[in-house]
Amino acid sequence: KQEVTQIPAALSVPEGENLVLNCSFTDSAIYNLQWFRQDPGKGLTSLLLIQSSQREQTSGRLNASLDKSSGRSTLYIAASQPGDSATYLCAAGGQAGTALIFGKGTTLSVSS
Amino acid sequence: NAGVMQNPRHLVRRRGQEARLRCSPMKGHSHVYWYRQLPEEGLKFMVYLQKENIIDESGMPKERFSAEFPKEGPSILRIQQVVRGDSAAYFCASSLQREGRGKQFFGPGTRLTVL
Repeated sequence: KQEVTQIPAALSVPEGENLVLNCSFTDSAIYNLQWFRQDPGKGLTSLLLIQSSQREQTSGRLNASLDKSSGRSTLYIAASQPGDSATYLCAAGGQAGTALIFGKGTTLSVSS
Repeated sequence: NAGVMQNPRHLVRRRGQEARLRCSPMKGHSHVYWYRQLPEEGLKFMVYLQKENIIDESGMPKERFSAEFPKEGPSILRIQQVVRGDSAAYFCASSLQREGRGKQFFGPGTRLTVL
């Protein structure tokens, strides 16, 4: 049974810092790994999707990496801004056609 | 191209009443997923549907919950005889391809409160 863990649960940084959010999964037989952003009381915004055959994806200041063999993914945020404050969720898409399995998220706070 | 739409955004029900949550997928998407987010919990998969078919309902409680995605109209998640423990945010997502192969796009959610 796939389990997804995100560490840390919460993170506070000053504006301008580069930071890394971690995601680990127990079953390496995933089809893809997706990172989402969730603002308080809102829905989910997809940030990056990494297919199992890929190692990383980049969008603007965001870079996500995937290492299936070690069961890990990281989300790197460069030059953080207060507007980046939100909860970041990672989710593993199973190869057998199962639905996304989510971690509980990392709540990021960027102070100005 | 409008995103995934859900309504209502907020729903208040008393114990024992029925709750109906609606989800309109993105245009052209024929795959719909429902997830539930309980307070202090992560999102949990409930059900995966294609038009007129339930593909995977392994995450659905066995009683009181049902889902459909008719040929015409939105997908409906129905909760009968709601209890306080049903209070949660319910999210719908849609994708162009079958699960595991396509990016899922999420709606804004319906926040259900059971009094």
